[in-house]
Amino acid sequence: NAGVTQTPKFRILKIGQSMTLQCTQDMNHNYMYWYRQDPGMGLKLIYYSVGAGITDKGEVPNGYNVSRSTTEDFPLRLELAAPSQTSVYFCASSYSGGKTDTQYFGPGTRLTVL
Amino acid sequence: QQQVKQSPQSLIVQKGGISIINCAYENTAFDYFPWYQQFPGKGPALLIAIRPDVSEKKEGRFTISFNKSAKQFSLHIMDSQPGDSATYFCAASTSGTYKYIFGTGTRLKVLA
Repeated sequence: NAGVTQTPKFRILKIGQSMTLQCTQDMNHNYMYWYRQDPGMGLKLIYYSVGAGITDKGEVPNGYNVSRSTTEDFPLRLELAAPSQTSVYFCASSYSGGKTDTQYFGPGTRLTVL
Repeated sequence: QQQVKQSPQSLIVQKGGISIINCAYENTAFDYFPWYQQFPGKGPALLIAIRPDVSEKKEGRFTISFNKSAKQFSLHIMDSQPGDSATYFCAASTSGTYKYIFGTGTRLKVLA
């Protein structure tokens, strides 16, 4: 099992550009999550999905969009990149979403917006 | 009220010493408290977790102490090793939600 994989590892965007961060899991998990991690701020939930076709907003959804067409994939879309979106982005998944269910994280994508 | 406050922000410990990281919360509905460990360039990984019906949970050198009345919980790393050098996040969750509220993280460095 590869677990949770994310691409790309690094990316530099110019203000106003758009991009998609890819996330794939091979554990047949129903629940998937996108977090952003800023220095000294911990992890903030951007969006989450409880299954294919179902997504919902987290704490900091503005400026992002997601889709979940398959169980395996949960891409995160940035439409008009802004410097405030400079961050490290982590995708995670869990089997059932219950509070005691372990969330498995990918290795992250480091995004810089200039 | 949804916050989890974590301290210290950074910690330096000698090899063989005890590392202690503290977290505090306000929301009494929180009923699950995991700790995640993150090495540089990697995603966080679950280290140990506790529910509020117990006051302590131990797994190897790692122990969570939980004080329900004070709304505080802490991670103790006994016999700290250089390989424990990482960032540690506490988190809290509530029944019926899928969401974790993470603390701000503690960067631990264990000197050889």
